[in-house]
Amino acid sequence: EAGVAQSPRYKIIEKRQSVAFWCNPISGHATLYWYQQILGQGPKLLIQFQNNGVVDDSQLPKDRFSAERLKGVDSTLKIQPAKLEDSAVYLCASSLFLDRGHEQYFGPGTRLTVT
Amino acid sequence: RKEVEQDPGPFNVPEGATVAFNCTYSNSASQSFFWYRQDCRKEPKLLMSVYSSGNEDGRFTAQLNRASQYISLLIRDSKLSDSATYLCVVNKDNQGGKLIFGQGTELSVKP
Repeated sequence: EAGVAQSPRYKIIEKRQSVAFWCNPISGHATLYWYQQILGQGPKLLIQFQNNGVVDDSQLPKDRFSAERLKGVDSTLKIQPAKLEDSAVYLCASSLFLDRGHEQYFGPGTRLTVT
Repeated sequence: RKEVEQDPGPFNVPEGATVAFNCTYSNSASQSFFWYRQDCRKEPKLLMSVYSSGNEDGRFTAQLNRASQYISLLIRDSKLSDSATYLCVVNKDNQGGKLIFGQGTELSVKP
């Protein structure tokens, strides 16, 4: 079974530029998550989708971050404009059910450096 | 206070040692608890769920104390391959899928 795919794997941009990340979850997984992991910290949830609807985006900085999952499969996360503090690994995860106690499968992440 | 707090690391232990990681959580309504493992520059992967009665998976034992809001992970007979960061994870407020991660505790097992 193919895992969660993400691209690009690495991205270097200057502050105030924009960037987009792509995620393809495991086939059949209805729930998709985007996390931000800053060096030395655990992942922090940015947004959670159930199919193509947003379940939770309470920690998404909406003035600069946006995400969509138009057909309930692939998702994109965009940052515009980027700040230095956005340097982090952006992880996409998916799970089969929107339920407590389930397992989330993570992609390899996109490592973003903002200079 | 952080929602999930873990022992600060790193833990440096010799092969064969027993090592224990501790974690506390602030939300008493939390229902589900996990340990994830994250290798250097890799994605987190589920190591094990933590049940109220405690559970064991080979050399790994997880314990939950709801009264103290405390979770632990014990690794016996450490292997070099156990070197990784261990993340304590809590499902917050019984909301579907919203996981709160601790900052992680790094383990380095030496020959």
